[in-house]
Parts: sequence; structure tokens; C-alpha cells
Amino acid sequence: DAGVIQSPRHEVTEMGQEVTLRCKPISGHDYLFWYRQTMMRGLELLIYFNNNVPIDDSGMPEDRFSAKMPNASFSTLKIQPSEPRDSAVYFCASSFRLWSYEQYFGPGTRLTVT
Amino acid sequence: QKEVEQDPGPLSVPEGAIVSLNCTYSNSAFQYFMWYRQYSRKGPELLMYTYSSGNKEDGRFTAQVDKSSKYISLFIRDSQPSDSATYLCALRATSYDKVIFGPGTSLSVIP
Repeated sequence: DAGVIQSPRHEVTEMGQEVTLRCKPISGHDYLFWYRQTMMRGLELLIYFNNNVPIDDSGMPEDRFSAKMPNASFSTLKIQPSEPRDSAVYFCASSFRLWSYEQYFGPGTRLTVT
Repeated sequence: QKEVEQDPGPLSVPEGAIVSLNCTYSNSAFQYFMWYRQYSRKGPELLMYTYSSGNKEDGRFTAQVDKSSKYISLFIRDSQPSDSATYLCALRATSYDKVIFGPGTSLSVIP
């Protein structure tokens, strides 16, 4: 298996633009997580899915953020409109079980909003 | 007080040194303790995990938990340049609670 795949790896956009981040989890994993990492706040959980259903989105910072998982092999995190404070590295992770020790992270998407 | 704290470093040591990385927390309910290693421009990867108090050893790595002091440590013996990375502690209270990550400590092992 290729592991968790994320695209794009880098995204530079202007304030106000829509940004879509993509994730392909490891095949067979029932749980998918979206995290955000910044120097100030560290690694924060934004939302997680179980069998394509959003379970806990309490970490989503505001309504500008939305996430979907239309099928077991694909998820998106959308920011509309983007703001400079959204600049961060966004990670997708997947696992067999909820909060399994074996939570596999993707390489991340480095987002810069100017 | 933040829920989980780590010295951000950077910590720079010569090759072969013993490294001690530490993490303090405030919530006494935490029972599951993990250490993740994150190389530059990569996602975190699980290095070690322990449940409750005590020590756990895996090769050159030893994880130590002191719940009475709310303090966890990761020791690296005979450190190698390949150990250069950021180390994140991660904690959770029960198997149904989300994982809380520390901010990470940056380590550089100089050849």
C-alpha cells in the first residue's frame, strides 16, 4: 500500500480564494482524520470520519471550513474563503480503529494564504 | 496552563549522546501515552506507546511515564544523525477520547 496520499503537497493562494485539499486513506481503514499543524498551536484535530460519516467536527475552526468523504477512498477539506491565518500544514490520517495507536499520517499539504 | 507542554528546543547533541525528551500535562485522566517522530516535511509516525505508569523499552528508545508527577519522558541511547526530527508526545484519557498532541521538541544529532 502506498500509505495515505494527500494532494496538493503545496498550495499558495490569495486571501478570499477557495482552497480544496484532498486525501486518499489507506485501503481498509474505517477512520479518517484531518489535522492542522502550526508553530503556535501544534497539531490540532479538525474533524474525523467513520465509514465516510463525519463523527466529530468540533475542531473545525469556523464555517469557512468544510469536509466531505463521498466514499471510502477519498476525502476533501475545503476552505472558502481562505484567510492568511489559515496558513498551516494540513495532515490527513487514517486508522483501522478509533484512536488506534496505529494512526497513519499522510505527508501533509503546506498551505500559504497571502 | 496548556493541556500538554514540551520544550520546543531546538535541542542539539553530538552523535552517540543520550537524549532525554520530556512532556508535562495537566489532566490526570490521561492513561495512554504515545511518542511520535516527525521528520522535516513529513507526517508524524508512531514511535512508542505506553499505558499507565512505568517504563517501556524498544531498542535504543525508552519511554517512561510518571503519572503522579504528570510527566513523561523519551530517552534515546546512542543517538544517531537519523534521529534528527521533531518528537511529539501524545496523550488520551480513554480509548474513546481523541488524542491530544504536544507542540513537539526539535532534535538535531550532529555527526
